[in-house]
Amino acid sequence: SYELTQAPSVSVSPGQTARITCSGDALPNQYAYWYRQKPGQAPVLIIYKDTERPSGIPERFSGSISGTIATLIISGVQAEDEADYYCQSTDGSSSNLYVFGSGTKVTVL
Amino acid sequence: EVQLLESGGGLVQPGGSLRLSCVASGFTFNIYAMSWVRQAPGKGLEWVSVISGSGGNTYYADSVKGRFTISRDKSKNTLYLQMNSLRAEDTAVYYCAKEGGYTYGWFDYWGQGSLVTVSS
Repeated sequence: SYELTQAPSVSVSPGQTARITCSGDALPNQYAYWYRQKPGQAPVLIIYKDTERPSGIPERFSGSISGTIATLIISGVQAEDEADYYCQSTDGSSSNLYVFGSGTKVTVL
Repeated sequence: EVQLLESGGGLVQPGGSLRLSCVASGFTFNIYAMSWVRQAPGKGLEWVSVISGSGGNTYYADSVKGRFTISRDKSKNTLYLQMNSLRAEDTAVYYCAKEGGYTYGWFDYWGQGSLVTVSS
């Protein structure tokens, strides 16, 4: 089955830039989406269609895509950005329509 | 304001059944596909099932196919998940999620979640 691969954890100092990658063979043909989840809360969409940012999401969150790797970039990291981040895409080749990465825990030092 | 409110979770024995509900408001319910996504304790997100806006098309993850049934009631703006033959590995927080576009793609709004615990 189709998989999206994320690193388990990333550590970053306040004010620095965090880059969270998501690798998937179908990403050149399917959009990547990103969600932030804080402990005890539901996920929140922060990037859709590779690079688009929903209204209300701070400008320090951005997305990029290069071949089979999608990247979530958090510029000027703040303490409140400490959370789990999941990438997600679609798998048109199987009945498992939606696929999530395993998640990356971002720790603000 | 879009709101999704799940209910129906609880403790159930292995082999038992449970039905989750999700009441939606703040958008035209019958236009958008709706999904259930679950998260086992300490684990990541797993998509479970989706139903089209009309209710005519449904899809399931392989892990629940044949045991779970998704449905929707337009008159009540409510999404359902009927879960049968429950197993310990079905223990999770179950979120309902609204499709972000007009095809199957992403989730722009999520409910607060409903905890299902399968244990004897």
